[in-house]
Amino acid sequence: KQEVTQIPAALSVPEGENLVLNCSFTDSAIYNLQWFRQDPGKGLTSLLLIQSSQREQTSGRLNASLDKSSGRSTLYIAASQPGDSATYLCAALNTGTASKLTFGTGTRLQVTL
Amino acid sequence: DAGVIQSPRHEVTEMGQEVTLRCKPISGHNSLFWYRQTMMRGLELLIYFNNNVPIDDSGMPEDRFSAKMPNASFSTLKIQPSEPRDSAVYFCASTPNYSNQPQHFGDGTRLSIL
Repeated sequence: KQEVTQIPAALSVPEGENLVLNCSFTDSAIYNLQWFRQDPGKGLTSLLLIQSSQREQTSGRLNASLDKSSGRSTLYIAASQPGDSATYLCAALNTGTASKLTFGTGTRLQVTL
Repeated sequence: DAGVIQSPRHEVTEMGQEVTLRCKPISGHNSLFWYRQTMMRGLELLIYFNNNVPIDDSGMPEDRFSAKMPNASFSTLKIQPSEPRDSAVYFCASTPNYSNQPQHFGDGTRLSIL
């Protein structure tokens, strides 16, 4: 059974800092790895999706990497802004499970002025 | 372009009452998912449909929970009878097809069972 862990559970950084959020998974037989953002009282918004054959994906100031062999993914946020404050969740889609995503418990990010 | 629409946004009801949560997926999306989010257990998949057919309901906690998708633009999640431990935020999500597309989430229904 896939287990997804995110460390740290919470993070506070000053504006402008570059930061890395970590995601680890126990079963490397994944189809893809997805990163989402959740704002308070809202649903999840998809940020990046990395296919199992890819090493990384980039969107603006966000860069996500994937290392299947070690069971790790990272989300890099460059030049953080207060608007980046949210909870970030990663989710693994295993092969053979159709569309069943296994989510981590998230990292709550606070970017301060 | 409208996103996934869920109703109601908030529901407070007494234990034992029937609760019905509603979801309208994005037009053209073939797969629909129901999730439950709690502080203790995080985000859990309850059931998902493809082309209106339930594919996997192994996450449905008990027989008190049931879900239907009578057509491509509407789904319901029903809890009968409701219990305090069912209190959570319930999300609906949709995607154009299986697996390889990001899921689009609604804003959720915050359910409180007293």
